[in-house]
Amino acid sequence: DIQMTQSPSTLSASVGDRVTITCRASQSISGWLAWYQQKPGKAPNLLIYEASSLESGVPSRFSGSGSGTEFTLTISSLQPDDFATYYCLQYHSYWTFGQGTKVEIK
Amino acid sequence: EVQLVESGGGLVQPGGSLRLSCAASGFTFTNYAMTWVRQAPGKGLEWVSTITGSAGDTFYADSVKGRFTMSRDSSTNKVYLLMNSLRGADTALYFCARARATRRLLMDDWGQGTRVTVSS
Repeated sequence: DIQMTQSPSTLSASVGDRVTITCRASQSISGWLAWYQQKPGKAPNLLIYEASSLESGVPSRFSGSGSGTEFTLTISSLQPDDFATYYCLQYHSYWTFGQGTKVEIK
Repeated sequence: EVQLVESGGGLVQPGGSLRLSCAASGFTFTNYAMTWVRQAPGKGLEWVSTITGSAGDTFYADSVKGRFTMSRDSSTNKVYLLMNSLRGADTALYFCARARATRRLLMDDWGQGTRVTVSS
């Protein structure tokens, strides 16, 4: 089974900050990695697929990079609507989520 | 507009059974795989099960294999999750999501979830 390790688990930041979240896979997943945003009580929302492709309708301040075992999600300038929890998901072999990163107001 | 509406959740005793439903609309149902993902209270997301669109092949997480059965009905555009031998660890919000074959069965649209509580 592929394990996904996401860091940090919590991140405190201010509006306008550049934010980076990392996800590491226990084995190579090529580029089969996605990022989701989830707000309390709501369903996850797909942001990035295939490691770096921006889902339609998602603001361009979100970007993804990486391949193999190491991936990052970057928010170039944090906006008030971005305070949420973010999850990575590998879909190379079945599906495994990372533990999540809560982005909170500093 | 894509709509996924889950139902069937509730309170059930340990060892009991429950069947969840997900009604899909706004897209060609047979062209998509469907997936269940759950989230225990205060915890992260966990993939549970996926059923393909064409052949109806099913895949299960080890934590539910042998206890849960996923199925689909193309005449009503619904998917189901039959959950047997329920345990406290199955307590969660269960989300239904569609998954595109052209995106390696990645989940893109999600329902709002149905809550399952396993407790005596």
